[in-house]
Amino acid sequence: AQSVTQPDIHITVSEGASLELRCNYSYGATPYLFWYVQSPGQGLQLLLKYFSGDTLVQGIKGFEAEFKRSQSSFNLRKPSVHWSDAAEYFCAVRTSGTYKYIFGTGTRLKVLA
Amino acid sequence: DTEVTQTPKHLVMGMTNKKSLKCEQHMGHRAMYWYKQKAKKPPELMFVYSYEKLSINESVPSRFSPECPNSSLLNLHLHALQPEDSALYLCASSQDQGRTEAFFGQGTRLTVV
Repeated sequence: AQSVTQPDIHITVSEGASLELRCNYSYGATPYLFWYVQSPGQGLQLLLKYFSGDTLVQGIKGFEAEFKRSQSSFNLRKPSVHWSDAAEYFCAVRTSGTYKYIFGTGTRLKVLA
Repeated sequence: DTEVTQTPKHLVMGMTNKKSLKCEQHMGHRAMYWYKQKAKKPPELMFVYSYEKLSINESVPSRFSPECPNSSLLNLHLHALQPEDSALYLCASSQDQGRTEAFFGQGTRLTVV
C-alpha cells in the first residue's frame, strides 16, 4: 500500500536559518509528489509539485524540493526561513489514474525570531 | 483564477439540524473532493466527484451526503451529525487524474453541539 512518512512532527529553526523537511514515500512506480503548507485554521496551499523530469523543483515562497528515487524521498528545503513560514507542512503523493492524494502526518514548523 | 471558494467559513449546528456546505470553483476542473481534517491531523478523503459523478466514497457515514449539481459546484449535506464530526471540512478540485495538482479551499470550520 502507498504511504507517506514525515519523520519530524515538530521542527524549530531560527529566522534566517536554512530548513529541510523530510518526506519519504512508499510506492512501486514514480508517484506524483506534492508539498502543501497550511496556516492555522486555513486551507492547504500548494508549494510545489513533481511529476517527472528535473528532480529539483522550484516552488513558491522560495521553497524547493528534490526527488531522489533511490531514497524514495522528496525533501523540502528553503535556504533562509522567514517568520511567516511558521505553519504545518504536508507532503502528499498521488498516482496517475487515481484521485487519491495520500498525505503524510505533517511537520509543524516554528520559527524563532 | 486558482481559487476554490467554500461557504460558510464557520458553522455551528445542533445534532438534529440539517445544514449544507458549499464549494465552488471556476477553473474548469472536472474532479472535486471533500476532505475532513481534525486538529493536528492530515486531511482525510471523504468523497471524490469526477465529471459530476461520484467516483469515490471512503465509507463515509450516510449522515454526510454529497451532491454535485454541476461541474463548478459541490455541496455536502449534513444531517444528524455527532459532536465527533466537528472538524475542518476542506473542498478541493483538480483538472483530472493526470499530471495535475489539487487546489484547496479555505475550509469550513464545523462545530456540532
